[in-house]
Amino acid sequence: RKEVEQDPGPFNVPEGATVAFNCTYSNSASQSFFWYRQDCRKEPKLLMSVYSSGNEDGRFTAQLNRASQYISLLIRDSKLSDSATYLCVVKVSNSGYALNFGKGTSLLVTP
Amino acid sequence: NAGVMQNPRHLVRRRGQEARLRCSPVKGHSHVYWYRQLPEEGLKFMVYLQKENIIDESGMPKERFSAEFPKEGPSILRIQQVVRGDSAAYFCASSPIVSWVDATDTQYFGPGTRLTVL
Repeated sequence: RKEVEQDPGPFNVPEGATVAFNCTYSNSASQSFFWYRQDCRKEPKLLMSVYSSGNEDGRFTAQLNRASQYISLLIRDSKLSDSATYLCVVKVSNSGYALNFGKGTSLLVTP
Repeated sequence: NAGVMQNPRHLVRRRGQEARLRCSPVKGHSHVYWYRQLPEEGLKFMVYLQKENIIDESGMPKERFSAEFPKEGPSILRIQQVVRGDSAAYFCASSPIVSWVDATDTQYFGPGTRLTVL
């Protein structure tokens, strides 16, 4: 079983739509959670950290359910520039360093 | 402020040659991480280094791969006797601290080196 699993998509949505991505992780000792964004053939960039209470950054809302080991990302009012691959990332503190990446969910926002 | 720098951005090698990938972390960052992204795959952790020390190389193949982060100069990921399966994007990341308390240190990624083995 993969440590971090995501639906690869692709998700094709029109501009202005709301889209949600889900992610599950297998290690119950995981302590830190993130969503990164990766544009084609470029480096991952931190989109937002995910906190237990849930958090929002503009059009983006992240949720964490520790009991179900489940993380979500909601994008409201999608823009063309949101087209990218969204990476669910988990860090297990007792191993300290490594980020565990999901394979990513591909989003294409169309006019 | 310059971010993480990696060079070369693209590297082509023939089977059996050596590949050297360089990474300069964000100024002031003393923690460097190397990740590999195979085609159509997610990023996989390879190694974590601090200045002059390898802290965790659990993700690095046991043979042909080595990494260093000298006191002066960039971190180097070295792949000896490359094979076609080494073709991938190699990303370096750096962070300022590693917090054991809340583990909220952020890793900043460089643009990557795309290695192609012919």
